Amino acid sequence: VLTQSPGTLSLSPGERATLSCRASQSVSSSYLAWYQHKSGQAPSLLIFGASKRATGIPDRFSGSGSGTNFTLTISRLEPEDFAVYFCQHYVDSRFIFGPGSKVEIK
Amino acid sequence: QLRLQESGPGLVKPSGTLSLTCSVSGDSISSSSSYHWAWIRQSPGKGQEWIGHIYYSGTTFYNPSLKSRVLISVDTPKNQFSLKVNSVTPADTAVYYCARLVAQYYYYMDVWGKGTTVAVSS
Repeated sequence: VLTQSPGTLSLSPGERATLSCRASQSVSSSYLAWYQHKSGQAPSLLIFGASKRATGIPDRFSGSGSGTNFTLTISRLEPEDFAVYFCQHYVDSRFIFGPGSKVEIK
Repeated sequence: QLRLQESGPGLVKPSGTLSLTCSVSGDSISSSSSYHWAWIRQSPGKGQEWIGHIYYSGTTFYNPSLKSRVLISVDTPKNQFSLKVNSVTPADTAVYYCARLVAQYYYYMDVWGKGTTVAVSS
C-alpha cells in the first residue's frame, strides 16, 4: 500500500511544494515513480527510479527518498504546476499507485 | 513522438463485457524488448488502479483482484492492444488509460493516453 500526504496542499506560485509518498513496507527505489495529472489530460511521468527526472522535466522537480519514505519536491511553483501528483511502485509483480496529492492555488 | 489513443464504447450494461482498444502511433509496439503495454483505470474519487500489461510477444500480467475477468491482447500488425473486462458491474465505471510501460532496471509508465470514460449502467 502507498499512502500520500498531504491530500491537498494550498500554495502560491513561487512557493515550495513538498509531497510525501509512504510505502507500508520497504520498496526498491528503482521501482518508485512520480506522475503529474491534470484533469482531462494524460498523466505525465515526472520522476522514475525515485530521483531521476524524465526527459523534458524542469529541474524545479526533484525526487528523493528510500525504503518506505519518498518525497517529490517542486522548488518554485509555476502556474502550470497546479495539478494532482501520484506515486507508483512495483512489487510482487504488481503495480501499485498512491491516491494522489492535489496542489492547488492558494 | 509516441502517442496512445484509447477507443471503445462509453456505456456498458451490467453483466456485459467492456472492450477497449489502444492504438499506438509514432513507434512500433514491438520496437523494444524493454517495453510492455499497460491498462490502468481510475474510478470516481479514487486513485489509479493497474489492470494489467502485455508484452508484444503476448505474455500477460494481471492484477490479481481482476484477473478472473480480464483479458489483454496485442495485435502487432495493427500496432494496437486491447482490453476486455467481462461480467462488469457499476464498480467498473472509471476512466480507462493505456500506457507504455518501461520494464528494465526501472519500472515506470512513460507515455499515457488521455483516457476514455466508461460507465456501467442499465
